[in-house]
Amino acid sequence: DTAVSQTPKYLVTQMGNDKSIKCEQNLGHDTMYWYKQDSKKFLKIMFSYNNKELIINETVPNRFSPKSPDKAHLNLHINSLELGDSAVYFCASSQIGLMGTGELFFGEGSRLTVL
Amino acid sequence: AQTVTQSQPEMSVQEAETVTLSCTYDTSESDYYLFWYKQPPSRQMILVIRQEAYKQQNATENRFSVNFQKAAKSFSLKISDSQLGDAAMYFCAYRIRDDKIIFGKGTRLHILP
Repeated sequence: DTAVSQTPKYLVTQMGNDKSIKCEQNLGHDTMYWYKQDSKKFLKIMFSYNNKELIINETVPNRFSPKSPDKAHLNLHINSLELGDSAVYFCASSQIGLMGTGELFFGEGSRLTVL
Repeated sequence: AQTVTQSQPEMSVQEAETVTLSCTYDTSESDYYLFWYKQPPSRQMILVIRQEAYKQQNATENRFSVNFQKAAKSFSLKISDSQLGDAAMYFCAYRIRDDKIIFGKGTRLHILP
């Protein structure tokens, strides 16, 4: 069983389109994240949810909207895609607090290419 | 603001040799976690090693060990007996308690046969 799974793995789309990436974790963690990895491999946090509540919202255009229907799922919807949105998007989960070990468990990444 | 600096964008090491990747971080906190993650060409992010700041003993995982110098805010990764499968991007990362994890810009490690 994959611990953190995200779909799709690859996404090619035209500028101006809207797309979504889904993420699910079966680790029982209470916190989930979206990270963006650019072409230079730099990893930057975008959002974090703890038990369905948004707790981290970095400086991200409001075309990006995360949604967490329950603590095992965190989806990312992107409106009006731009060329600069091309990147690999990683979903991750973590157990924070006294019971947590602190590290992130990552999905395999979703490579988004905007043409 | 917390920052993580990896000063070596790329490194190469001969197979079976030892290599050390550098990482420094900036924080005013005393309680935090440090990590090294590996990202091979498959792009999967894999945890290599983890260190809790309150622990003085350096973490070790098989051929991977760290040199944690809390006062100097340094957290280097040593890979012994390098293998071809160690070729990857290596990211140093830092986390304060329940806050976000901040990553360095990475070091690309090449293993020479």
